[in-house]
Amino acid sequence: GAVVSQHPSWVICKSGTSVKIECRSLDFQATTMFWYRQFPKQSLMLMATSNEGSKATYEQGVEKDKFLINHASLTLSTLTVTSAHPEDSSFYICSARSTGTPGGNEQFFGPGTRLTVL
Amino acid sequence: RKEVEQDPGPFNVPEGATVAFNCTYSNSASQSFFWYRQDCRKEPKLLMSVYSSGNEDGRFTAQLNRASQYISLLIRDSKLSDSATYLCVVNLGTGGFKTIFGAGTRLFVKA
Repeated sequence: GAVVSQHPSWVICKSGTSVKIECRSLDFQATTMFWYRQFPKQSLMLMATSNEGSKATYEQGVEKDKFLINHASLTLSTLTVTSAHPEDSSFYICSARSTGTPGGNEQFFGPGTRLTVL
Repeated sequence: RKEVEQDPGPFNVPEGATVAFNCTYSNSASQSFFWYRQDCRKEPKLLMSVYSSGNEDGRFTAQLNRASQYISLLIRDSKLSDSATYLCVVNLGTGGFKTIFGAGTRLFVKA
């Protein structure tokens, strides 16, 4: 299957700092990428849908000014958690939809980024 | 009501057992359905798609009942390596391609 990478895989930061997470589709072009957040023992919650070359679509309750998403190319989307606070500590996972293959409805997930804000 | 609901779990079964997971979804416009597996502190991985005709992959069998808005996953001859959280996933298939994840059911297979 298609490969999606995330960087960094884990990060620890102080409260008030900003953290950028990168999501890359390595062997396919992804016009759409998704950002999820998962708290312990809970399911993945979609935060936003990132479309290449346009503004991201945020889910209800997700602050777009706090979670900045940029999808500048067909293989890269970034999520920046601005002024992070301890309650932002979570597992952030991106996924990319492969539209150019027979499995066009399948999402391929990155390995996730574990963020801990002290 | 949650858009996708699953058995609460956890399921604790011995090796070799057969275990069934159930899932219901609320949006009748849902178009595609999947079971994902998620290991602890890892990303979800696609286990199998689910079709109305039912589909089987080795020890795993998935069923979809559109009329009842019900999805199931059956695991036969459970292995220790099957221990994981199983996520029921529904794609609304709208222009925005929105995917909804169930909360997951944890499975523990013991020797």
